[in-house]
Formats: sequence, C-alpha cells, structure tokens
Amino acid sequence: DAKTTQPTSMDCAEGRAANLPCNHSTISGNEYVYWYRQIHSQGPQYIIHGLKNNETNEMASLIITEDRKSSTLILPHATLRDTAVYYCIVSLYNFNKFYFGSGTKLNVKP
Amino acid sequence: DAGVIQSPRHEVTEMGQEVTLRCKPISGHNSLFWYRQTMMRGLELLIYFNNNVPIDDSGMPEDRFSAKMPNASFSTLKIQPSEPRDSAVYFCASSLAAGDGYTFGSGTRLTVV
Repeated sequence: DAKTTQPTSMDCAEGRAANLPCNHSTISGNEYVYWYRQIHSQGPQYIIHGLKNNETNEMASLIITEDRKSSTLILPHATLRDTAVYYCIVSLYNFNKFYFGSGTKLNVKP
Repeated sequence: DAGVIQSPRHEVTEMGQEVTLRCKPISGHNSLFWYRQTMMRGLELLIYFNNNVPIDDSGMPEDRFSAKMPNASFSTLKIQPSEPRDSAVYFCASSLAAGDGYTFGSGTRLTVV
C-alpha cells in the first residue's frame, strides 16, 4: 500500500519552478524515495530517486528533509510538456514492488 | 534502444474470449513487471519476474489471469475468460536491477464488451 501523501493537484506557471511535496512520515531507514510521472495516455516515466542526500539529474532535483519524513521534487523551469501526474513512492531498494498512490496532478499553465 | 514494446496497443474483445497481451522488455533488463491501471484503482502491480522466474504474483486478481516469461525477451499476460471488469490499461515495465527505475511500455488498452 502507498505510504506517501501528496496533494491532489497543483498549478505552476510555465518557466517557473514547480515544487511538488510528498509526506512519508513512516519511512524506514533503508527505504528510498522514488518519483515517477505519467503524462496523459502514456506509461509512467521514472524521474529520480534518493535515500538521504539531495539528488539532481537532467530532469529534476529531489530534496529530502533531514528527518526523511518528507521530500520535494523540483522541476526548475516547468514547461507545458511537464503537465502530468507525479507519483512519490517509498520502497526498499531491492524490494521491487512499487505501489503507486494517487499522485499529484501538475498543471503547467502558459 | 526501442524501449519496452507492448502489443497490441488496443484490444476490444467480447466477454468470455481469451485475451493475450505481449511484452518485449529492454534487452539486458532482468526484471519485468505487469501493471494494470483503472480510474477506480489506479496503478496496480499484478506480477513481476526476475531472470524470467515469477517472483510475486500476489497482485493477480484471480485464476483467470496468468503470466509467463518463456525467455528474457518476451512475456505474456493472458486473461481467460475475459470479463467487462477486466477493461483497463495494462502496462509492462522492465528494469536492469532491483532498485533501479522502471522503464514502462506504452500500454495496451483493453476493452471487454
């Protein structure tokens, strides 16, 4: 079962940073935080994952609080193509069973 | 790389018929997953394979559903007999190793009438 809480929807202006929060207060010490997104009518797309330290790749940055009870996915310059449902998932690294919750619908507006 | 390839993209079938969905994972990936997505239940993990061996099929809804992976480059999900409540988008995904991000296919939209 999903162990995360995310807002149902968010709006963001094109060109601005999109900050998507996720609460995972029951996360255990060896569980990772994963982010995926699903653009309409497509399969989910892996974005990034992390354990403790902040992570950055070509798509996004992941900021994990020191107590690891919450995290934020940052899209630095959102475009209309970033409109999607964003899923935050908590899982053991080698567990291989990702439970996707309801996610956050991000609407990027011109 | 062509990514994870699923076929068919769309399938419309009559209740009671057998349906077979196909998946070709990314070459070299040793884990394969089948998910189902509906409006009501979201994305549900049905089954996953590691090195062609089914590891966990606890998400398979009932005996009408079966999945096979005869080799590293091919997997099938079969529903026999199909029912209208099986209507959903079925996704296949693969990963290089446990813990890596999954790569999903484009899905098969199944409609059972």
